[in-house]
Amino acid sequence: DTGVSQNPRHKITKRGQNVTFRCDPISEHNRLYWYRQTLGQGPEFLTYFQNEAQLEKSRLLSDRFSAERPKGSFSTLEIQRTEQGDSAMYLCASSSGQGVYEQFFGPGTRLTVL
Amino acid sequence: DAKTTQPPSMDCAEGRAANLPCNHSTISGNEYVYWYRQIHSQGPQYIIHGLKNNETNEMASLIITEDRKSSTLILPHATLRDTAVYYCIVRGTLNYGGATNKLIFGTGTLLAVQP
Repeated sequence: DTGVSQNPRHKITKRGQNVTFRCDPISEHNRLYWYRQTLGQGPEFLTYFQNEAQLEKSRLLSDRFSAERPKGSFSTLEIQRTEQGDSAMYLCASSSGQGVYEQFFGPGTRLTVL
Repeated sequence: DAKTTQPPSMDCAEGRAANLPCNHSTISGNEYVYWYRQIHSQGPQYIIHGLKNNETNEMASLIITEDRKSSTLILPHATLRDTAVYYCIVRGTLNYGGATNKLIFGTGTLLAVQP
């Protein structure tokens, strides 16, 4: 257990539905990342928060995706109008702003879009 | 960030040392070498990082060549629990507030530790 939690762990939804995932980082970490991982591939960066500010978004993050970190603590990732191609593991990581910026990953949320 | 090249898979006998190579020939002077691993159905886990000198911690050793174009992660006594995908990542570690420090993963090396 790294101290980063994600909920739910699994989500099955029908195409066209909206889904929301939550990430609770390590409490003193001000940096939070979302990644997406498909089968057989390494994780791909989606977006980055420093405190409550979303400072970088990947081109992978289409306009159907939105992420928030309202008080600089937990974060949510919402996918609207899900498509089958959104099926993946969604990983959250956090790090402090000091030192080597080691990222601590949560267990992920596995999304299946039917 | 520099690209890395790793073999797709390796086997190792339990109790033996596992040596995982990584090529990063385009690494620049301010970029570090990081290693993460991902056990099946879990999130990636940080192992070790280094700039120029060899490094050792409780999990592994990292050997970086003098020209910094390649490195080797060494698990001194591999166990079955070390079976995982190992990712070598090259990244700058910048100390100003605007740096994202995102990780760019390749496909890694699947290490299978055999009993």
